Amino acid sequence: EAEVAQSPRYKITEKSQAVAFWCDPISGHATLYWYRQILGQGPELLVQFQDESVVDDSQLPKDRFSAERLKGVDSTLKIQPAELGDSAMYLCASSFLAATYEQYFGPGTRLTVT
Amino acid sequence: AQKITQTQPGMFVQEKEAVTLDCTYDTSDQSYGLFWYKQPSSGEMIFLIYQGSYDEQNATEGRYSLNFQKARKSANLVISASQLGDSAMYFCAMREGLGTNAGKSTFGDGTTLTVKP
Repeated sequence: EAEVAQSPRYKITEKSQAVAFWCDPISGHATLYWYRQILGQGPELLVQFQDESVVDDSQLPKDRFSAERLKGVDSTLKIQPAELGDSAMYLCASSFLAATYEQYFGPGTRLTVT
Repeated sequence: AQKITQTQPGMFVQEKEAVTLDCTYDTSDQSYGLFWYKQPSSGEMIFLIYQGSYDEQNATEGRYSLNFQKARKSANLVISASQLGDSAMYFCAMREGLGTNAGKSTFGDGTTLTVKP
């Protein structure tokens, strides 16, 4: 069964350091989402890609966060510099089309900033 | 702005019994979709069930059903015949718009379900 892959699964970093997360969506899925989930809360959309183009990044803190999906397949989310408040689960999801209601989520990357 | 409210931080149910998880939503759109996801302790979000705002019948998927009351703006999840493996966090979510006009998903803060043997 096809799955969304994410790495690393866990990351511990010191504040002010740079950190990057990688996501490989299900093959053929044009839409890719990055969510941030703070402990005890629901996921919040950070950025949505349609192929290689950003569709929505209104909640992405652009002074420190960046995301790219250069070839419209896998994607990287970067934080530089990391802050203590960035400690959270970062979830990647994909869907066949933006109009498709079902999103498939990866296992997530749990980030701890010390 | 769309908002999802899940008022039950934690719920307990006896194995083999049914349980209802509450979800209310707020939107000014007429077209929207409602979703439920399950998140086990491993962290992965698992899609359970979907209800469109124009769907006249309540959605069902195996042991999951969505009790959709449009006038009350509620979309409760009913899990029948609970199993130990149902113990997890459950999230209600909504997307305003449908099809190619669908916007981003907004999630509630979740309900932790514990199934007792």
